[in-house]
Amino acid sequence: QQQVKQSPQSLIVQKGGISIINCAYENTAFDYFPWYQQFPGKGPALLIAIRPDVSEKKEGRFTISFNKSAKQFSLHIMDSQPGDSATYFCAASIGDYGGATNKLIFGTGTLLAVQP
Amino acid sequence: DSGVTQTPKHLITATGQRVTLRCSPRSGDLSVYWYQQSLDQGLQFLIQYYNGEERAKGNILERFSAQQFPDLHSELNLSSLELGDSALYFCASSVQGLDTQYFGPGTRLTVL
Repeated sequence: QQQVKQSPQSLIVQKGGISIINCAYENTAFDYFPWYQQFPGKGPALLIAIRPDVSEKKEGRFTISFNKSAKQFSLHIMDSQPGDSATYFCAASIGDYGGATNKLIFGTGTLLAVQP
Repeated sequence: DSGVTQTPKHLITATGQRVTLRCSPRSGDLSVYWYQQSLDQGLQFLIQYYNGEERAKGNILERFSAQQFPDLHSELNLSSLELGDSALYFCASSVQGLDTQYFGPGTRLTVL
């Protein structure tokens, strides 16, 4: 119930193409869904995040689509560039407002390679 | 650069030993999270501190412990190390605990 399933494990996209990464969850109590980008030798960096009261959020070339009934969310990277080549992690959490805690449950990651 | 610093960057030690990993959160952040990243387990939450107090625990082994000091830096102590403890250890910080978590560059631990 606490898992977040991510697919695909790896993805190769041509420059200018659309990269799509999918995640699914079971626990309907999750209320925060961030995507993190990680380059080799670096820590994960927040890319974009969404809460379940919104079905889509767009920031530049990055869009999260959220389907509450299907318990799925996805990251779309438009006009993919070689500089986007990295590992992408979806995550989910349950905000414990009383305890001021928001531990993230991460997906297994997707290694994206954008070919020039 | 996230503003979160971690030391050391790399650590090589032997089985049975004890090590301490250090994390300094971003200026003004009260909450520190520790995560372990390994090939077989992925990124896993270990423990969270908020303003010096433990707030949440994840898949943290009994051989591991952490604390957050009055200046808000945090230390993760790993003892009786095993080969399987080899991993990247990240800390993340956030202002209050419920908002965006900013990750440090990590400490790569190798247990030989």
